[in-house]
Amino acid sequence: DVKVTQSSRYLVKRTGEKVFLECVQDMDHENMFWYRQDPGLGLRLIYFSYDVKMKEKGDIPEGYSVSREKKERFSLILESASTNQTSMYLCASSLKYVGQGGKLFYEQYFGPGTRLTVT
Amino acid sequence: AQTVTQSQPEMSVQEAETVTLSCTYDTSENNYYLFWYKQPPSRQMILVIRQEAYKQQNATENRFSVNFQKAAKSFSLKISDSQLGDTAMYFCAFMKALNSGGSNYKLTFGKGTLLTVNP
Repeated sequence: DVKVTQSSRYLVKRTGEKVFLECVQDMDHENMFWYRQDPGLGLRLIYFSYDVKMKEKGDIPEGYSVSREKKERFSLILESASTNQTSMYLCASSLKYVGQGGKLFYEQYFGPGTRLTVT
Repeated sequence: AQTVTQSQPEMSVQEAETVTLSCTYDTSENNYYLFWYKQPPSRQMILVIRQEAYKQQNATENRFSVNFQKAAKSFSLKISDSQLGDTAMYFCAFMKALNSGGSNYKLTFGKGTLLTVNP
């Protein structure tokens, strides 16, 4: 089974602190993603990475950065945490799948989430 | 940009009955993929079912089936013989290729529908 793990289930940080959220997957997936989940807003993509050292901004990258030095690990960094970054953070990874007609699509596998509170 | 709309924030159903969750989306793409993900309380998000837009046949997975209406841009999920373990937040999601090479994919999620199965 694919396993995606996140370093913490719950995290409490103070405003202005630098925060690292770690995600590790064990199935050699090329793609990795960071989302935040807020009630009434669903999941919103922060950043994603399709290869080591490669990254692309998602829909809400402001206030965040990422790092992918190894294929299995994708880190989300809050340079200076703020209260509006209190949220549930979900990591996901995906495996390449060749579909009909050469079309490619990816099923995303999610980690358990990190509930971050910034006070 | 793609949008995904789930018009039912909450629903409830009696055990053993059938329930349908609605989802509509907006896109100018012709080739794309649609997904339903399930997030049980305090547990990881998992994929329930997927549909390729180029397939006319509706996807089914055991008690879960979809009604995919491409022209109407509608993608509803039907759960038959509802079980207590179906209680969860359900997210509809849309995916298209980000570039012509199709090497990476981004999911756009709806805001979710909280389904409660009552005994």
